Amino acid sequence: QSALTQPPSASGSPGQSVTISCTGTSSDVGGYNYVSWYQHHPGKAPKLMIYEVSKRPSGVPDRFSGSKSGNTASLTVSGLQAEDEADYYCSSYAGSNNFDVVFGGGTKLTVL
Amino acid sequence: QVQLQESGPGLVKPSETLSLTCTVSGGSISSYYWSWIRQPPGKGLELIGYIYYSGSTNYNPSLKSRVTISVDTSKNQFSLKLSSVTAADTAVYYCAGTLVSTIFLWGQGTMVTVSS
Repeated sequence: QSALTQPPSASGSPGQSVTISCTGTSSDVGGYNYVSWYQHHPGKAPKLMIYEVSKRPSGVPDRFSGSKSGNTASLTVSGLQAEDEADYYCSSYAGSNNFDVVFGGGTKLTVL
Repeated sequence: QVQLQESGPGLVKPSETLSLTCTVSGGSISSYYWSWIRQPPGKGLELIGYIYYSGSTNYNPSLKSRVTISVDTSKNQFSLKLSSVTAADTAVYYCAGTLVSTIFLWGQGTMVTVSS
């Protein structure tokens, strides 16, 4: 069982927006602004999409955005495209007493 | 562009030691903390541990007694050794480059099966 809770699946049609949630506690998501989101196409290397809650690495489309409220972080994908279909994982810093990083169980995003 | 590539046996016998190496290309090994992450089939991601190029390490307490991560700066490589493996150690193992709990770089992953 993963430390952070994500819905197992999400879906949307091309052009629509989808939001994926990531729920933790005040010891991780709620306590630090170090939430990241990763995109994983099976068989490929996972890719960082969002870090420090809402920052986008160079090269990541601005269709991807992140936010946080309390103990829940969210990834929103706007203007869905076929290539966005992938698994998405969140992670959060959890303090050195909790060995730094905890992950969500992943969400399979399907583009209908 | 920095790339990571895992290498090592895909099959390890129970009670033996799992050994993997990650080669860093296209960049300096002094730029990140270098991590090993695994994902058992059907389960979530788990950070195994990480090392800085200076050699300082930090291991997941649940695996600490069995894990050694080392770095070879001359070869731009870092390695994972996990001893006394069981079927529960069967997983896809990823090497990664990390800064402030963010995994900026990932390898493609390598599947390791523990079986006799």
